[in-house]
Amino acid sequence: DAGITQSPRHKVTETGTPVTLRCHQTENHRYMYWYRQDPGHGLRLIHYSYGVKDTDKGEVSDGYSVSRSKTEDFLLTLESATSSQTSVYFCAISQNPGQNSPLHFGNGTRLTVT
Amino acid sequence: DQQVKQNSPSLSVQEGRISILNCDYTNSMFDYFLWYKKYPAEGPTFLISISSIKDKNEDGRFTVFLNKSAKHLSLHIVPSQPGDSAVYFCAASGLSGGSYIPTFGRGTSLIVHP
Repeated sequence: DAGITQSPRHKVTETGTPVTLRCHQTENHRYMYWYRQDPGHGLRLIHYSYGVKDTDKGEVSDGYSVSRSKTEDFLLTLESATSSQTSVYFCAISQNPGQNSPLHFGNGTRLTVT
Repeated sequence: DQQVKQNSPSLSVQEGRISILNCDYTNSMFDYFLWYKKYPAEGPTFLISISSIKDKNEDGRFTVFLNKSAKHLSLHIVPSQPGDSAVYFCAASGLSGGSYIPTFGRGTSLIVHP
């Protein structure tokens, strides 16, 4: 299994509070991704990174920001959490952006916003 | 607007029989297709892929078929086993901004009965 650790695994927070989720990899892969999984929606891309300090938006980026100061860490921040951001968040990595480089996923963070 | 559609939320199959999971896509720029498998409380794991230059790819009990003219692909599992019970995500990608970042369907939950 690819070395991907997501923390925390579970979090409950209140509406309006800031939340940061962490993804740590030991594979030295250049590409890192944040997805959210919701019933009826599958996996949707929030943000991704193609290198240190290089990030771009996905299809559901509103309300989220990311940072990548080191190759191994990719942080997802909810500046002011809302109930619509209750979800399971998955981090993924890939070696390169090519066709023959499938994503490897972490085990997810379950976030509940009350 | 969904670009990757898995129209069957669930599928129930008897052990030993064939499981067929279907996926349709709308974006003609997609040229690489993947299937991921997800168990509860775990991240998705890559299962099998196919390039648009092929119409079939086989890996053990798993075969993916691609019909480009119909923009349709399917995953066949033969014979199905109880351990195959999971959610299966279809994903499609095409070169965009120098990267292949997959778009996922909503998933199909497969239950294989002993």
